[in-house]
Amino acid sequence: DTGVSQDPRHKITKRGQNVTFRCDPISEHNRLYWYRQTLGQGPEFLTYFQNEAQLEKSRLLSDRFSAERPKGSFSTLEIQRTEQGDSAMYLCASSLSGSLAGLFGRSDTQYFGPGTRLTVL
Amino acid sequence: AQSVTQLGSHVSVSEGALVLLRCNYSSSVPPYLFWYVQYPNQGLQLLLKYTTGATLVKGINGFEAEFKKSETSFHLTKPSAHMSDAAEYFCAVSEGLRQGAQKLVFGQGTRLTINP
Repeated sequence: DTGVSQDPRHKITKRGQNVTFRCDPISEHNRLYWYRQTLGQGPEFLTYFQNEAQLEKSRLLSDRFSAERPKGSFSTLEIQRTEQGDSAMYLCASSLSGSLAGLFGRSDTQYFGPGTRLTVL
Repeated sequence: AQSVTQLGSHVSVSEGALVLLRCNYSSSVPPYLFWYVQYPNQGLQLLLKYTTGATLVKGINGFEAEFKKSETSFHLTKPSAHMSDAAEYFCAVSEGLRQGAQKLVFGQGTRLTINP
């Protein structure tokens, strides 16, 4: 495994600007998750994809947030009109679900990337 | 709805001493339970997990945890702390494979400090 990668690692932006983050999951993984972690707190679930389908979104994901996984591989998370409250670490995780999990000897464990730290000024 | 409570936001132990990090969960369905570790400015690394079967699970770096259904607990232990164990530890719960998507619900974390 090459691991989950995220880009950029750090992003500083001004309030009102749009930002986009990218996540590249482990290559054979069919599920991809986004979480948000604010300072001193545990990660909170935002949304997840099974292949290219976005199957669940948290109430935390306001209309300003949109996520895509167009070909079932990498994913992007876009935040429009950023606010200071959006400042956080955005974490991506991937996992292998269903029968494929048994084939690879895993049971849907989520593997996390290093995160993208967003600072909104 | 599921939830996780980690008792103690900060735990400090001496090098070589026992590490005990407490985690209690709430779940209406059989849970899957996880402990992750996070070093500064990094993502989360899986330490260990309980899905089914043996209730005492062993993980990496000498850590282990015991699932106690009657106490709804999944405390993390290590017999002898090492300086490299200093980090933030998160307990998490998911609904398990039978329920479909396994989004994780995390506790607020426990910062472990090791004193020389």
